[in-house]
Amino acid sequence: DAGVTQSPTHLIKTRGQQVTLRCSPKSGHDTVSWYQQALGQGPQFIFQYYEEEERQRGNFPDRFSGHQFPNYSSELNVNALLLGDSALYLCASSLGRDKGTFGSGTRLTVV
Amino acid sequence: KQEVTQIPAALSVPEGENLVLNCSFTDSAIYNLQWFRQDPGKGLTSLLLIQSSQREQTSGRLNASLDKSSGRSTLYIAASQPGDSATYLCAVDPGSNYKLTFGKGTLLTVNP
Repeated sequence: DAGVTQSPTHLIKTRGQQVTLRCSPKSGHDTVSWYQQALGQGPQFIFQYYEEEERQRGNFPDRFSGHQFPNYSSELNVNALLLGDSALYLCASSLGRDKGTFGSGTRLTVV
Repeated sequence: KQEVTQIPAALSVPEGENLVLNCSFTDSAIYNLQWFRQDPGKGLTSLLLIQSSQREQTSGRLNASLDKSSGRSTLYIAASQPGDSATYLCAVDPGSNYKLTFGKGTLLTVNP
């Protein structure tokens, strides 16, 4: 049974560009949450998707947006990239209030 | 707003030593608390999850305790090994469908 799959594993973008990160949830999970982890910090909640809609959002600007597809997979989009967006982006899938599962993350470097 | 603090930020111990990592949170209205391990540049591995109604959980050499009323949790690692070297993160879940608030973590180094 596959866990949470994130792609790509690494990417490098230039300031001002746009990026899309992808997440496939664990089989049986219907909720996807995204977290940003800057170097030396704990992960911070960006937003959560359920039934193809954003259900909760953390304190992140509108440059961060997302989408959930009918098969529960999800995308995180970041527009107008800043140097400060360089981080490890983690996806977690879950079902109801049960414990979720994290993916291995996407390392984004903005230069 | 929930805030989670982990002390110490870094810890270096000789192999075989028993150690305690600390986590504190400001809002006691939590659903559960979870301890994770993170290797450099990698994702999160769940170690232990304690429900708000529980006092402790054990897995092998790991034991986590929870005192919800005082807003504290500890992770006890017995007989530490070099393979335990990693960052340990504490996270609380208010019960809102896995929206977690994390601490900054404790970087543990176990020296052979």
